[in-house]
Amino acid sequence: NAGVTQTPKFQVLKTGQSMTLQCAQDMNHEYMSWYRQDPGMGLRLIHYSVGAGITDQGEVPNGYNVSRSTTEDFPLRLLSAAPSQTSVYFCASSSGRERVTDTQYFGPGTRLTVL
Amino acid sequence: AQRVTQPEKLLSVFKGAPVELKCNYSYSGSPELFWYVQYSRQRLQLLLRHISRESIKGFTADLNKGETSFHLKKPFAQEEDSAMYYCALKTSYDKVIFGPGTSLSVIP
Repeated sequence: NAGVTQTPKFQVLKTGQSMTLQCAQDMNHEYMSWYRQDPGMGLRLIHYSVGAGITDQGEVPNGYNVSRSTTEDFPLRLLSAAPSQTSVYFCASSSGRERVTDTQYFGPGTRLTVL
Repeated sequence: AQRVTQPEKLLSVFKGAPVELKCNYSYSGSPELFWYVQYSRQRLQLLLRHISRESIKGFTADLNKGETSFHLKKPFAQEEDSAMYYCALKTSYDKVIFGPGTSLSVIP
């Protein structure tokens, strides 16, 4: 199993550009989430999904869109990039089936810089 | 409001000394709490969860509902413990909220 994969690893955008951060998992997990990691603020939840076709907003959803057409993929779209979106983005997944033993698995992260 | 606080951004201890990373939470429901660790240039990984009452890499954490705390402790710090530590709260809707993190530096 590859676990949770993210592409690209690094990206530089100009203000106003759009792009999609890719996230995929091969563990048949129901739950997937996107976080951004900023110094001094830890990880903040952007959007999450509890299954294919179901998404919901997290703590900081503005400026981002998600969709979940398959169990495996959970792309994050930046509609019009802004410098405030410069951050490291992590995708995570968990099975969602066993509350007691459920564990979130994180991807390696995407470092995004918006100029 | 659901919130996780970690009062120390940076914590430095000498090798062999005890270490305690503080975590407090605010949640009206029944909390599920976790500690995640991120070593340099690596992805986040689960360290331990309160429900398992386990000890991982010598670390333990006890949930104190009265004080709404979930402090992480280790009696003797090792250099390889240097990392970023995040306390996290899982709500009843399966959203996971992370604290701001504490950077632990173990001095040789």
